[in-house]
Amino acid sequence: GAVVSQHPSWVICKSGTSVKIECRSLDFQATTMFWYRQFPKQSLMLMATSNEGSKATYEQGVEKDKFLINHASLTLSTLTVTSAHPEDSSFYICSASSGRAYEQYFGPGTRLTVT
Amino acid sequence: EDKVVQSPLSLVVHEGDTVTLNCSYEVTNFRSLLWYKQEKKAPTFLFMLTSSGIEKKSGRLSSILDKKELFSILNITATQTGDSAVYLCAVEEVGNTPLVFGKGTRLSVIA
Repeated sequence: GAVVSQHPSWVICKSGTSVKIECRSLDFQATTMFWYRQFPKQSLMLMATSNEGSKATYEQGVEKDKFLINHASLTLSTLTVTSAHPEDSSFYICSASSGRAYEQYFGPGTRLTVT
Repeated sequence: EDKVVQSPLSLVVHEGDTVTLNCSYEVTNFRSLLWYKQEKKAPTFLFMLTSSGIEKKSGRLSSILDKKELFSILNITATQTGDSAVYLCAVEEVGNTPLVFGKGTRLSVIA
C-alpha cells in the first residue's frame, strides 16, 4: 500500500509556542489530505480537509486561525498548532488520498504534549 | 447526532472466543463502509463493503453489510491477544466528502 509519513512522531512543547507537523505522501501524489485529532480512548475527529493549492476546509468547531493548514504540493501538507495550550495535547493523524475518500492512507501520527 | 454508531464501546474476552462488533449508520448518500484496526498508531485498513449480503473474509476476520437495515458487523473468530485494538467503522458518502468515523470499539483479548 501507499506510504504516508509524519514528522515529528512525538513533540513536547511549552504553552504559548507553535508547533508544526508535516505529513508527506512518499510514493504517490495526494490531491487531498485530511487532518484528524484523537484524544485518549476516543475516535478520530476530522479537523480539516485540504486540497492541494487551495484553502483547507475546516470542520465545525475547529479554529482555522489556531490550526493552520498548508497543502502547497501534492506530497506535503503541514499543520501548525499556534500558541499551543495544554488542552491541545492530543494525537494528530494525517491521511492522504489521490482519489476517493476511502482510498486514504494514514500516517503514523504525531503525539503532541503541551506543558 | 452521530451518523455512525458502533457497539459495544468496549469489550474484554478470553483468547479463543469469537466476537461480533457492530456498526450502524445513517447517511444520506451511502457509498461504502470501511473497517479499520487501530493499535497504538494510525488505523490500518481491514475491509471495504459496498454490497449487501456479500461476506468479506480475511483469515479469522470477516465482515458483512446490510444496506436495508443500515448496519455492518465485524466478526473475529478464535481471538488472539494480538487482536486487541480499537476497531473503527467509517462510512463513505457519494461525492468528494470525508469519511465519517464511529467512536470505535475497544477490544481487549486476555490470555
